[in-house]
Amino acid sequence: TQLLEQSPQFLSIQEGENLTVYCNSSSVFSSLQWYRQEPGEGPVLLVTVVTGGEVKKLKRLTFQFGDARKDSSLHITAAQPGDTGLYLCAGRTSYDKVIFGPGTSLSVIP
Amino acid sequence: GAVVSQHPSRVICKSGTSVKIECRSLDFQATTMFWYRQFPKKSLMLMATSNEGSKATYEQGVEKDKFLINHASLTLSTLTVTSAHPEDSSFYICSAAVGTSSYNEQFFGPGTRLTVL
Repeated sequence: TQLLEQSPQFLSIQEGENLTVYCNSSSVFSSLQWYRQEPGEGPVLLVTVVTGGEVKKLKRLTFQFGDARKDSSLHITAAQPGDTGLYLCAGRTSYDKVIFGPGTSLSVIP
Repeated sequence: GAVVSQHPSRVICKSGTSVKIECRSLDFQATTMFWYRQFPKKSLMLMATSNEGSKATYEQGVEKDKFLINHASLTLSTLTVTSAHPEDSSFYICSAAVGTSSYNEQFFGPGTRLTVL
């Protein structure tokens, strides 16, 4: 069974601080996606990374895919209250299934 | 971008009744739709994959007769929770993709909150 782990599970920071969320697995994924979900809503795709070592930037968000395609990180610079939400990583397996990690709940305090 | 809607957004029902949840792709044709279940502060668990015109593929541990899925057209899939019980209370989310492989990008609906009394 392929599993994704995320850390930390919960994170509460002050506005303006930086943070990093990690997504790890012992399995290789063909691609990995990051989503943000707000309470009572469906997940919204932030980015898809495909190539080992790939780095993508989306404004203040920086996503990295590990060289071995087993892990990924999401770094947020100068966090804002609007960044508050549940961040989910999801890996696509060799069987074309999408597996979601348990999520990191981020709270940015003004 | 592609938009996926779900109806209803919230439903409260009595134990023993059946509830139907609709998932629609509004501006594209979805060959494949996925149904997920999410418990509070937990991640999404894939329940089943449905392809238009064929039977749904259920994940291990998901009861086919309990969660009936119908994908009658390229823009509509329905999930019916039959004889609902309080333990079925959850947030149900659908997603839609173009193509028969989950490799294609999925677009998620806003979810349906089911509460069974």
